Amino acid sequence: SAVISQKPSRDICQRGTSLTIQCQVDSQVTMMFWYRQQPGQSLTLIATANQGSEATYESGFVIDKFPISRPNLTFSTLTVSNMSPEDSSIYLCSVSTGTRISTDTQYFGPGTRLTVL
Amino acid sequence: AQSVAQPEDQVNVAEGNPLTVKCTYSVSGNPYLFWYVQYPNRGLQFLLKYITGDNLVKGSYGFEAEFNKSQTSFHLKKPSALVSDSALYFCAVRDASSNTGKLIFGQGTTLQVKP
Repeated sequence: SAVISQKPSRDICQRGTSLTIQCQVDSQVTMMFWYRQQPGQSLTLIATANQGSEATYESGFVIDKFPISRPNLTFSTLTVSNMSPEDSSIYLCSVSTGTRISTDTQYFGPGTRLTVL
Repeated sequence: AQSVAQPEDQVNVAEGNPLTVKCTYSVSGNPYLFWYVQYPNRGLQFLLKYITGDNLVKGSYGFEAEFNKSQTSFHLKKPSALVSDSALYFCAVRDASSNTGKLIFGQGTTLQVKP
């Protein structure tokens, strides 16, 4: 497994502003992912953060709204840009520590609870 | 398209009784199946997974799950529930042919264990 931390743990933001969420892992990992959990909803994958290249976004999510960085094998950031109340969610970072992506377990960080007013 | 269904929003059991949290899935290929638990204001914790082999998978905290290919199900079970098991449980699936690692999650089932 891996120990994953996220900053901030929660924030309340004004609409139109941006927030950058950090994800730090205690060991080098192959894959990092960003998920969104809207209130009372399940988890939805936003994008896969690729080290050294652009993130791969899922349908319905775009880089202008959710820019992602992954400068090394232990760190990634997700920015929620030009926020609206609909962006109020829990944002979770997850990692895959193995080398076989199809069977690997994903381990999740504690999440960042974002409220947009 | 891949999907996961957890037909019960909430399951209520008495402490000491067996519990079952239901999950059915749909994938085009072979499924890899996962269960996670989320405690209030916490991230998801991995419980167990089925990849191949024995259909009965044992995981953390005394939980187990049974893979049933004919019924496309992967129900989570525990012989004797504890009050501390009360939490939100998510089933997730990944197509075995996936090269992206993407997990598809069910809607979640709240387990309430009463003393």
